[in-house]
Amino acid sequence: GAGVSQTPSNKVTEKGKYVELRCDPISGHTALYWYRQSLGQGPEFLIYFQGTGAADDSGLPNDRFFAVRPEGSVSTLKIQRTERGDSAVYLCASSESQGFMDIQYFGAGTRLSVL
Amino acid sequence: AQSVSQHNHHVILSEAASLELGCNYSYGGTVNLFWYVQYPGQHLQLLLKYFSGDPLVKGIKGFEAEFIKSKFSFNLRKPSVQWSDTAEYFCAVNGYSSASKIIFGSGTRLSIRP
Repeated sequence: GAGVSQTPSNKVTEKGKYVELRCDPISGHTALYWYRQSLGQGPEFLIYFQGTGAADDSGLPNDRFFAVRPEGSVSTLKIQRTERGDSAVYLCASSESQGFMDIQYFGAGTRLSVL
Repeated sequence: AQSVSQHNHHVILSEAASLELGCNYSYGGTVNLFWYVQYPGQHLQLLLKYFSGDPLVKGIKGFEAEFIKSKFSFNLRKPSVQWSDTAEYFCAVNGYSSASKIIFGSGTRLSIRP
């Protein structure tokens, strides 16, 4: 079946602009996660949704970052007043539920470049 | 603090050589351990996982990993690598108390000379 889909695959923006990154999880997966991967690093957790609610947003770096999942499926990660340090690959993952044994399946990511 | 340490940033091997990539973690309590792989131009894929039971776990493409609890280690091994194993490998951990949050190491880039 279809995997986790992320759009756009690449996004170039200017410092100070607003961006939205979209994630479409695997059908039927109730849990959705956002990670950020900077160059030369492993993914770092940002936020996790169970259904429509953000169950853990402890990884969001500051209040310029926000994510929503209004209908419990597609999620959007929103970044306000982008900074050059926000440049990274933003990864989305989904799992069937939020259990200790559930596997997270990752999308291909959105590469964000802030000029 | 919870963390994962991968000892090698870049490993270069010839085809048919044996592989061992080191991984140590710092995490209190019950854990799951993972190795993910990212082939060039592709997304992260699960290579293998340890949840419980036999500490020697086998994954796809002939990879295996051994969980040594006393050493907080989960090293990845393959007896004979192929050119197609060229990729970035990430060790990762999550815990029973925070299962949603996977903590990744910084990755090891594996290059195989044909």
